[in-house]
Amino acid sequence: QKEVEQNSGPLSVPEGAIASLNCTYSDRGSQSFFWYRQYSGKSPELIMFIYSNGDKEDGRFTAQLNKASQYVSLLIRDSQPSDSATYLCAVNRRNSGNTPLVFGKGTRLSVIA
Amino acid sequence: DAGVIQSPRHEVTEMGQEVTLRCKPISGHDYLFWYRQTMMRGLELLIYFNNNVPIDDSGMPEDRFSAKMPNASFSTLKIQPSEPRDSAVYFCASSHTGAGYPEAFFGQGTRLTVV
Repeated sequence: QKEVEQNSGPLSVPEGAIASLNCTYSDRGSQSFFWYRQYSGKSPELIMFIYSNGDKEDGRFTAQLNKASQYVSLLIRDSQPSDSATYLCAVNRRNSGNTPLVFGKGTRLSVIA
Repeated sequence: DAGVIQSPRHEVTEMGQEVTLRCKPISGHDYLFWYRQTMMRGLELLIYFNNNVPIDDSGMPEDRFSAKMPNASFSTLKIQPSEPRDSAVYFCASSHTGAGYPEAFFGQGTRLTVV
């Protein structure tokens, strides 16, 4: 089992709709969870992080965490064509601190104008 | 700050040649990570350093790969000899212990093609 799993997509949504991106992780002791966005040919950039169960909102983005189900999601409201990118879920390992992030392979999102 | 700086941005080399990738982390960051990204395997950790000391190199695929960090502002990843299967995008990232959360800031990457 992969440590961090994501559906590779592509996920296609119309402009203005809500895009829902999902991620599951295998290490129950994982402490912190990150969503990175990566445009084609570019480097990953952080969108949001979440530590606690529940929802965390930042503008059009909402991260959701359910540690019991080992599940993280990212919702993008009012999707725009500029949101078209690959979204990477990343997890911090059990012995936290600045241990390296473990990444999923990413979900490719396409927002259709 | 200019962010994490990697060079070169693109490298094309012939099989068997030595390749050296370079990275300058963000000033003040005490962790440095080398990742490799391919379509098949995604973003994989190769090695990471804390205060210039290698902490975990279990992700280095084989002895052909080596990495050094001689000081806080410079790191290299060397492949000798290179093989076509090493073709990938190599990212360097850095982070700061005191930030409260382990966000990694990525450089622009080096796209390596071994022919």
